Amino acid sequence: DTGVSQNPRHKITKRGQNVTFRCDPISEHNRLYWYRQTLGQGPEFLTYFQNEAQLEKSRLLSDRFSAERPKGSFSTLEIQRTEQGDSAMYLCASSPRDRGGTQYFGPGTRLLVL
Amino acid sequence: AQSVTQLGSHVSVSEGALVLLRCNYSSSVPPYLFWYVQYPNQGLQLLLKYTSAATLVKGINGFEAEFKKSETSFHLTKPSAHMSDAAEYFCAVNSGGYQKVTFGIGTKLQVIP
Repeated sequence: DTGVSQNPRHKITKRGQNVTFRCDPISEHNRLYWYRQTLGQGPEFLTYFQNEAQLEKSRLLSDRFSAERPKGSFSTLEIQRTEQGDSAMYLCASSPRDRGGTQYFGPGTRLLVL
Repeated sequence: AQSVTQLGSHVSVSEGALVLLRCNYSSSVPPYLFWYVQYPNQGLQLLLKYTSAATLVKGINGFEAEFKKSETSFHLTKPSAHMSDAAEYFCAVNSGGYQKVTFGIGTKLQVIP
């Protein structure tokens, strides 16, 4: 199976700790997206990459959040000094370069901040 | 600007009955429209996608959706509900094809035996 993979699937951390999530997109996809989903809501856009370039960041992405895609392949999302409000499902998606390309989602990383 | 409104955060149907999940969109340019399904503790799976090729779009698991420009709607239907259809369904829009996807808040479908 060559779908989008995310690690870890679950993360429990204490408030104030740093966490890092990894996303491996479908190999031929050059676009990669991060979303956050809280209970009872649809996914909310955080940021997206085209190859290694980060092209757009949401206002939701405070300065405690940083994302990288160093070689245009996998991506990491780091949250520094976690807060209880960061508890959510973090979803990664990838899409091909063509216009209107479908975004294919990974299984998500569920973060719980105690 | 783009947005999606899903009417009804919870919908209950009897097994074998028609499923109708409502979605209205707003987009300043011709949109790409999607329906995704999410099962508990899983990511989103694409059900179907509208790309202007045909107004009636058929997807997986017997679902289909009709694009109605005059009503700015993209409602999801299935003639006969199955117990395995119980999940959360998200409508989403991508204006112009190059921007981020904006999702609705989702509709939880309950199928009653």
